[in-house]
Amino acid sequence: AQSVTQLGSHVSVSEGALVLLRCNYSSSVPPYLFWYVQYPNQGLQLLLKYTSAATLVKGINGFEAEFKKSETSFHLTKPSAHMSDAAEYFCAVSGGDSGYSTLTFGKGTMLLVSP
Amino acid sequence: DTAVSQTPKYLVTQMGNDKSIKCEQNLGHDTMYWYKQDSKKFLKIMFSYNNKELIINETVPNRFSPKSPDKAHLNLHINSLELGDSAVYFCASSQAWDNEQFFGPGTRLTVL
Repeated sequence: AQSVTQLGSHVSVSEGALVLLRCNYSSSVPPYLFWYVQYPNQGLQLLLKYTSAATLVKGINGFEAEFKKSETSFHLTKPSAHMSDAAEYFCAVSGGDSGYSTLTFGKGTMLLVSP
Repeated sequence: DTAVSQTPKYLVTQMGNDKSIKCEQNLGHDTMYWYKQDSKKFLKIMFSYNNKELIINETVPNRFSPKSPDKAHLNLHINSLELGDSAVYFCASSQAWDNEQFFGPGTRLTVL
């Protein structure tokens, strides 16, 4: 079964600093990969997705992620953090080994942004 | 013009009761899902329906029963509620399996 690992349950950055949230997946077949953001007491919102086109994917709010097959990674980055970026971020995978039309989520990373 | 809506937003009930959560999507999507998010924020798929037919049923107690009266609705019925059922339940929908899933705002269920 495929899985997703997010390194670090919490990541703290200062406003204006680089944001890097790590995600690794396990799948023998390249899957589709997603990053979702969850603000407090809200549902999940898609930031960006990789579906076997360009390996560098740009999303909303200045976020981007790069699919690296050799490293089985899909890390999320943003050059300059803003206070409003503070939220829980989830990496998710679909397709690949499972063939299911579903999402397998990582355990999430809470991004904390300090002034 | 809410895309995926859920009712109620909060649900507080006693152990042993039966409750339902409703979900509706106005996106014209073919596939709908139910996810459970536990107290540690971990999200896990429970059910998936495609054109009113159940296509995924993960390891979920049979006290949980999804019902899809039409393509736009997927309701979740829970019988004999237990303390461990306390969680946030999210409904989602998508057009195709590789496309973005749109999530509802969630229903926070608290079982006392």
